[in-house]
This record gives sequence, C-alpha cells and structure tokens, in this order.
Amino acid sequence: ETGVTQTPRHLVMGMTNKKSLKCEQHLGHNAMYWYKQSAKKPLELMFVYSLEERVENNSVPSRFSPECPNSSHLFLHLHTLQPEDSALYLCASSRDRITYNEQFFGPGTRLTVL
Amino acid sequence: ELKVEQNPLFLSMQEGKNYTIYCNYSTTSDRLYWYRQDPGKSLESLFVLLSNGAVKQEGRLMASLDTKARLSTLHITAAVHDLSATYFCAVVREYGNKLVFGAGTILRVKS
Repeated sequence: ETGVTQTPRHLVMGMTNKKSLKCEQHLGHNAMYWYKQSAKKPLELMFVYSLEERVENNSVPSRFSPECPNSSHLFLHLHTLQPEDSALYLCASSRDRITYNEQFFGPGTRLTVL
Repeated sequence: ELKVEQNPLFLSMQEGKNYTIYCNYSTTSDRLYWYRQDPGKSLESLFVLLSNGAVKQEGRLMASLDTKARLSTLHITAAVHDLSATYFCAVVREYGNKLVFGAGTILRVKS
C-alpha cells in the first residue's frame, strides 16, 4: 500500500451504533488530519495530530472521538451520531505541522447515518 | 477568521474553450493549494503556490497567486472532457499548516 489509505470506504450506521473509521499513512509523515466534507459546506478541518498528540480540535462535538496510537495510524470513533453527520470523512497527512508541508489525502469514508 | 471564496461554483464549458476559476481569501497568507477531486475519489494535489507572483503550469491548467490582491486563479486552456472534476483552492491559515478550503468549483466539459 502506498500513500494514505482509509477503511471502510462506505459505512451506514444507526444513531445508536458505535463504529470507527481508520486511516493509515505509508509516507513516513508526522502529522495527520481528519476533515469532514458535507454536501452543503466547504471541507472542514476536524482534528490535527502531530507526533500522536492532538494539537487541534475544531469545535467538534464529543460524539466524534479521535485516536492516534502512532504516527502512521489515525482513528475516528463514532457514537450516537445524528443524520446531519452524514458526510465524506477524509484523512490527510503531512511531513509535519510546523512548516507548510503539502497535505496528502486518503480516498475518504462515505458515512451515512440513518 | 480566514474565509476562502471560489467562483464560479459551477462551470459548464465546451471542449476547446478557455476559462478561469477564481479564489479569493480574506486574510494574509502566502501559501495556497489547488486540488482536484473526481466523483467518489479523494483530493489530488495540483499546485502549490508559495509566493506573490507565483505561476505554475501543468498541461492545460495554469495557476497563479497574487498575495497583495489575495487572489489566485486557475486558468483552463482548450478544455478537454478529462478535466471534468471539482476543483478546490485551499489557503494556509496561521502557523500550524491548517488549511481552509473554498467551496469548490464543479467543472463539466462538454464534447
């Protein structure tokens, strides 16, 4: 595998379910990001991790819980979501978050909340 | 707060024609990215513009940056069907490599 991978690619869940999104980067990067892309809004930054430490939480509701166990993996744990949380969730990585390094994006997980 | 505006949001054009997509942003930044997204796919990096007056070209696409006007343009020359996609500009916000995205321009090139 090369680049940034995400699983699953599609997820349908009920509002009471708990699920997790997974992101893995094979680029040797130290910073990872979660973005949300909804139909009616521009791409929104949710979380930033640098060297496994969360450095940004963009006022995201607590029903989204990120986890970064190491610099190659990033998870987004989901629980008691709302239908308006249905969106494409994109993961990205960059060499670091200090200098202005290009971010590389994964293919995304298309989430539908029923 | 940094805001990024793209226009037009939707562009339908004939093959062989030229057109320009505009990206305006509200606060000072000296780094701007253009991305392409195909339906159901992720974002593919097209250009990184690092300084005032920067111009980059790849095939039928040319991007430029005017940091004084806070404006970037993506010019399409002699469009072909394969260029149909959604194009996003993104501006770096503050220290820390945070990107703020425009709403995207949906480009449809008709044969």
